[in-house]
Amino acid sequence: SQQGEEDPQALSIQEGENATMNCSYKTSINNLQWYRQNSGRGLVHLILIRSNEREKHSGRLRVTLDTSKKSSSLLITASRAADTASYFCATGGGFAGNTGKLIFGQGTTLQVKP
Amino acid sequence: SQTIHQWPATLVQPVGSPLSLECTVEGTSNPNLYWYRQAAGRGLQLLFYSVGIGQISSEVPQNLSASRPQDRQFILSSKKLLLSDSGFYLCAWRVTGRGAEAFFGQGTRLTVV
Repeated sequence: SQQGEEDPQALSIQEGENATMNCSYKTSINNLQWYRQNSGRGLVHLILIRSNEREKHSGRLRVTLDTSKKSSSLLITASRAADTASYFCATGGGFAGNTGKLIFGQGTTLQVKP
Repeated sequence: SQTIHQWPATLVQPVGSPLSLECTVEGTSNPNLYWYRQAAGRGLQLLFYSVGIGQISSEVPQNLSASRPQDRQFILSSKKLLLSDSGFYLCAWRVTGRGAEAFFGQGTRLTVV
């Protein structure tokens, strides 16, 4: 079963607007990651937030994590047409002993209209 | 620098034929290796992962198998392909340890006809 579930499944906005995507997960984690995928390509890592962090920024990206609600959000500010892609959250692995698993959610497809 | 090679980029195979997809990593040692499958417009389904040579964990019972004959080589195989094996296959690696990001290959688009 999938560990992460994103919503919305699809999001269409105008250039310049902000885009918010949400991710919920089921089990305890020690970090959560967000990835981006352009159509037909491999995934690219965007940002990682640890379980003891509540918010993290990277350029136009802002990630929040609420471990009590088992949820995370990715905010892209001042969106550009080039931000059009699918975005995935991922959890799992990294504990001492290295279980190795890395589980992805179903993703949010973002379309930014010029 | 580390790189990951996955090939071929596209593959069309008849039902019942064998499959071998190869993934190799350069520039790192003892990585965790992963095979994912992605259906059109969907998320990534974890198929197999490996934390070391000869160590394979299978996530989903299916018509596929994986092997790790060398530290930086991960192979996805099938003896007889099914139509349902069609999809986009992605190989990924990450270093062992806490919170490491994963690096993905460019994927193989497999169409079983």
